[in-house]
Amino acid sequence: EIVLTQSPGTLSLSPGERATLSCRASQRVSSSYLAWYQQKPGQAPRLLIYGASSRATGIPDRFSGSGSGTDFTLTISRLDAEDFAVYYCQQYGSSSITFGQGTRLEIK
Amino acid sequence: QAQLVQSGAEVKKPGASVRVSCKASGYAFNAYYMHWVRQAPGQGLEWMGIINPRGGTTTFAQKFQGRVTMTGDTSTSTFYMELSSLRSEDTAVYYCARGPDTVVVVPAAPEYWGQGTLVTVSS
Repeated sequence: EIVLTQSPGTLSLSPGERATLSCRASQRVSSSYLAWYQQKPGQAPRLLIYGASSRATGIPDRFSGSGSGTDFTLTISRLDAEDFAVYYCQQYGSSSITFGQGTRLEIK
Repeated sequence: QAQLVQSGAEVKKPGASVRVSCKASGYAFNAYYMHWVRQAPGQGLEWMGIINPRGGTTTFAQKFQGRVTMTGDTSTSTFYMELSSLRSEDTAVYYCARGPDTVVVVPAAPEYWGQGTLVTVSS
């Protein structure tokens, strides 16, 4: 099973700032089958990025993903008030899907 | 537009079983796999398993082997997840999430999710 470790656990930033979230895998993620999700309280996860760097339908271009192999990054270029939430990475390339433990993005 | 609508909240006693349903609409039922994912209160997301509606083949996370059943009913376009021998640690919101295409089986990140079903296990 591929274990995903996200850092930091909590990120405190202000609207307009840049956010950089990290996801490290315990082994190579095949074909960059790595996704990022946003989750707000009481809601289902929302797909932001798939294939490590492709934005899902309707996702603003301030969200971008990068990385390959075992190290991946989600960047939010300029934080909007609606971006404060919990973010999860997920690998879906193996027979057993796994999620990171999440990064909480909070307003400073 | 695909839509997944899940059944309502459940309260169960330890040792009981629970069945959660997920009705799919807006696409061909047999065209996509279905994942089940759960989230304990204040915790992260945990993948439980996946079902191929074409034939009903399943793959489960090792943690749930022997305790979970996943089925699909083509006649009603509804998926079911049943978890048995419930314990307090099974208290969670359970989600269905659409998986990859069943014909061109290329891994795909789940984009469509149900609204979630809260299952509470308490004596």
